[in-house]
Amino acid sequence: EAQVTQNPRYLITVTGKKLTVTCSQNMNHEYMSWYRQDPGLGLRQIYYSMNVEVTDKGDVPEGYKVSRKEKRNFPLILESPSPNQTSLYFCASKRGSSSGANVLTFGAGSRLTVL
Amino acid sequence: GQQVMQIPQYQHVQEGEDFTTYCNSSTTLSNIQWYKQRPGGHPVFLIQLVKSGEVKKQKRLTFQFGEAKKNSSLHITATQTTDVGTYFCASSGYSTLTFGKGTMLLVSP
Repeated sequence: EAQVTQNPRYLITVTGKKLTVTCSQNMNHEYMSWYRQDPGLGLRQIYYSMNVEVTDKGDVPEGYKVSRKEKRNFPLILESPSPNQTSLYFCASKRGSSSGANVLTFGAGSRLTVL
Repeated sequence: GQQVMQIPQYQHVQEGEDFTTYCNSSTTLSNIQWYKQRPGGHPVFLIQLVKSGEVKKQKRLTFQFGEAKKNSSLHITATQTTDVGTYFCASSGYSTLTFGKGTMLLVSP
């Protein structure tokens, strides 16, 4: 089944304890992206990657890192989490940027709480 | 993608009533996409509109793209409880997809 898989789905952690949220897709998509969703703010893009070894900042990149060493994986790293990073995180992928390849497939989401 | 504003933020209807959400931009959009997120779920793609004045239908859902490609709407006829969720529009640029803040729809039986 074509899908985007995120782990963990739920995590409670403490301020300053480094964590990684993994994201993997099995559709051979070139483009991958991370979004965070907060009440009243909708979906905001954190980072995106247009291909292997190519990453770029989205609208809210502060406090996050990403890497794209393989096409299928796009982990989100929080080096020193803070309470304002408590949020629902979505990884998403799409085939490319042309009109016919521009549809995002989302993972199930990772709910992160930073105490 | 360009910034898009969505209204209303929230709407509560009785089952059987119609519902419309609007997506507006100050600039011309190359295309517009619509996604639905069920409570506790993730956004799921509904449709993409590309042409000026385009209208597409999916059963009870009607999607429109304005003539000037600066606005779009999603209309649901005779809502059902299964329509509950948040509806997002999204504009796509070359490298990003920018989402509106969404319209949350609640349907009472």
